[in-house]
Amino acid sequence: DVKVTQSSRYLVKRTGEKVFLECVQDMDHENMFWYRQDPGLGLRLIYFSYDVKMKEKGDIPEGYSVSREKKERFSLILESASTNQTSMYLCASSTGRFSGNTIYFGEGSWLTVV
Amino acid sequence: GENVEQHPSTLSVQEGDSAVIKCTYSDSASNYFPWYKQELGKGPQLIIDIRSNVGEKKDQRIAVTLNKTAKHFSLHITETQPEDSAVYFCAASILGSQGNLIFGKGTKLSVKP
Repeated sequence: DVKVTQSSRYLVKRTGEKVFLECVQDMDHENMFWYRQDPGLGLRLIYFSYDVKMKEKGDIPEGYSVSREKKERFSLILESASTNQTSMYLCASSTGRFSGNTIYFGEGSWLTVV
Repeated sequence: GENVEQHPSTLSVQEGDSAVIKCTYSDSASNYFPWYKQELGKGPQLIIDIRSNVGEKKDQRIAVTLNKTAKHFSLHITETQPEDSAVYFCAASILGSQGNLIFGKGTKLSVKP
């Protein structure tokens, strides 16, 4: 089975802190994604990556950055956390560069910024 | 760009009844429409998808229909069971493109025993 593992399920951080959300996939997938999930807003794409050291902005990249130093690992970085970044963050991966392949999601990281 | 609207946002049915969730999309070039199910405390998981060269696809109690002319597609769950309770997301994209999936806002389905 494909496994996308998000290392932290629940985090509480203070405003202004730098936050790292880590994600690892075990299926040698080329594509990796970070989504944010909020009630009533669905899934919104923050950043994605088609290859190592490559990144592309999604729909809501402001306030976030990402790092992909290895194929299996994709990190989401909040440089200076703010309360409006309190949310559930989902990492995902898929094979191939082009649309049409199944996206596999991790179980999510609940982030609270106080 | 593509916009996907999903209705209803919440749906409550009695066990054994059918449930229907509807989505509309704006980009007529979209031709790939997956549905994801998210159980409580878990990430979304693909349950069925349809491509625009077919009008309907079934998998046991789940079916998806597509109307390309009207640009809408629907998820049908028959003989609902309590374990069908979850949030369901529809999505759309263009097969073979580098475009990402555009998701609807989700439908919370509750199946009452």
